[in-house]
Order: sequence, then structure tokens, then C-alpha cells
Amino acid sequence: AQRVTQPEKLLSVFKGAPVELKCNYSYSGSPELFWYVQYSRQRLQLLLRHISRESIKGFTADLNKGETSFHLKKPFAQEEDSAMYYCALSRESGNTPLVFGKGTRLSVIA
Amino acid sequence: SQTIHQWPATLVQPVGSPLSLECTVEGTSNPNLYWYRQAAGRGLQLLFYSVGIGQISSEVPQNLSASRPQDRQFILSSKKLLLSDSGFYLCAWRRGGTLYEQYFGPGTRLTVT
Repeated sequence: AQRVTQPEKLLSVFKGAPVELKCNYSYSGSPELFWYVQYSRQRLQLLLRHISRESIKGFTADLNKGETSFHLKKPFAQEEDSAMYYCALSRESGNTPLVFGKGTRLSVIA
Repeated sequence: SQTIHQWPATLVQPVGSPLSLECTVEGTSNPNLYWYRQAAGRGLQLLFYSVGIGQISSEVPQNLSASRPQDRQFILSSKKLLLSDSGFYLCAWRRGGTLYEQYFGPGTRLTVT
């Protein structure tokens, strides 16, 4: 069965420090992977998807098929990065729902 | 552009009462539609999804049901609410048959008293 694991429920870092939110997945096929973010009192929104290879708000994520990981990174954390982050996996069929991890709450301390 | 609406935004209902939450999508046709429940520490739990009118897949057996009476309308219902039904309910849509991302609505906060 497909599974997404985010091992940290809460991650606290100081402003200006590097951030890494971990995501590991279990899937035998070729996954499409996403990071979603939910800021306080806002709706869940897409942060980035691996196929785009883009950097959004300074965040990047690299798919490592050997380690089945898709960790989210940012070199210098900002206070406005404090939010709930979810990693999600899409199976090869576009009609099946995304599989989400349980989320990591990032708290950036001034 | 596409938009997704949910209502009501908040709801307080007594145990044993019925429930109806509505979700509509604008600006697209034949979307895949999803209902999730979001609970602190438990992440996003998929409840139902639909790939077309009248087609509902249930992921978790429970006190809830879903219906899709129109192409861009998705309804979450219950005949008799339980205390354990309290939570934050999210609707989402995705272009059918694609690997594109899902887009989420603002959510409904349900409190069963």
C-alpha cells in the first residue's frame, strides 16, 4: 500500500537557520510528489511539486528515488514560514486521490 | 479561473441530528472531487472521492455518506451525527485523469455537542 511518512510532528528552528522537513514514501511505481502548506487561518495550498523542479518562497525539494524521500528544504528560515506542512504522493493513475502524510508543524522562532 | 466553495464555514449540531455539507467547483468540468477530514495530529483523512456524477468511492467505513448530484457539486451527509464526527472537513478537486495537484476549499468546522 502507498504510504507517506513525515516523522516529525513539530519542528522548531530559529529565524535564519536552515530548515529541512522530512518526507519518506512507500510506492512501487513512479510517484508524483507534492508539498502543501497551511498557514494560520488559511486554506491548504500547494507549495511545490517535484516535476516542476521549482523554488517557491525559497523552498526546494528533491526526489530521491533510492532513499524514497522528498525532503523540503530552505537555507534561511523566516518567521512567515511558520505553518503546517504536508507531503503528498500521487499514484500513476490521475483518478486516484493523493496520499498525504500526517504533517509537520514548523515553528520559526525570532 | 477555477474556484471551490464550501458551506457552511462553521456548524454546531447536536448528537443525533442530520448533516449536510456542500462543496461546489466553478470554472472547470468533470473534476475529480474529494472529501477529507483534518484532525490535529492525524493529518488528512480521505473520506470519499468521486470521478463522475453518481460515482462515489468510500475510503473509510463510518457514519457519513457522500453524493454527487451534479458535475461540480459534492455533498457530505449523515443521518445521525455522533460526537466523534466533530472535526474540520475539507473538500478538494482535481482535473480528472491527470496527475495535477488537488485544490482545496476553505473547510467547514463541525462541532457535535
